[in-house]
Amino acid sequence: AQTVTQSQPEMSVQEAETVTLSCTYDTSENNYYLFWYKQPPSRQMILVIRQEAYKQQNATENRFSVNFQKAAKSFSLKISDSQLGDTAMYFCAHPNFGNEKLTFGTGTRLTIIP
Amino acid sequence: NAGVTQTPKFRVLKTGQSMTLLCAQDMNHEYMYWYRQDPGMGLRLIHYSVGEGTTAKGEVPDGYNVSRLKKQNFLLGLESAAPSQTSVYFCASSYEGYGYTFGSGTRLTVV
Repeated sequence: AQTVTQSQPEMSVQEAETVTLSCTYDTSENNYYLFWYKQPPSRQMILVIRQEAYKQQNATENRFSVNFQKAAKSFSLKISDSQLGDTAMYFCAHPNFGNEKLTFGTGTRLTIIP
Repeated sequence: NAGVTQTPKFRVLKTGQSMTLLCAQDMNHEYMYWYRQDPGMGLRLIHYSVGEGTTAKGEVPDGYNVSRLKKQNFLLGLESAAPSQTSVYFCASSYEGYGYTFGSGTRLTVV
């Protein structure tokens, strides 16, 4: 079975600081996507950022960026200038079996401290 | 707003009762999914569908059935609810794994 591992159950950081959330995954595929989702207290799943494995360049979306290490199967999320609204659960996810099924990590609960 | 709509948003069932959760999407996506979310376990795939009339088992299918009679709808059924099925249920749809859109979730409590 293909797996996604998030080794940090909880993290906290001061507002305006930078924080990095870790994710490793297992796959036998060569071309695939990777995702980070945010789940605030409202429960809605919100796509934060997407990385395509065949692209060398790390994806960036405003204050959010990734460090994608394909050989190491590592996909970390960096949040710069953190804001109170970033407080949420963050899930790393990887589709497998020809992009049919999305597998999630167990999540990291991030708290931004005022 | 276009997207994925789940009904109901909340439900309390007694052990042994049955119910159906409805998921509807208006994005013409081929793939649809049902997940359950439990504390400390992330989202786990129950069943999924890669097209109208098709369904397949996910990671935790026992106690659930699904149907995809129309492309835009994906139904999740509980025939005889058990307390272990207390969870938050999410429906999602996707376009060939490129982008996944989630519904707002259904909180189900089985007493």
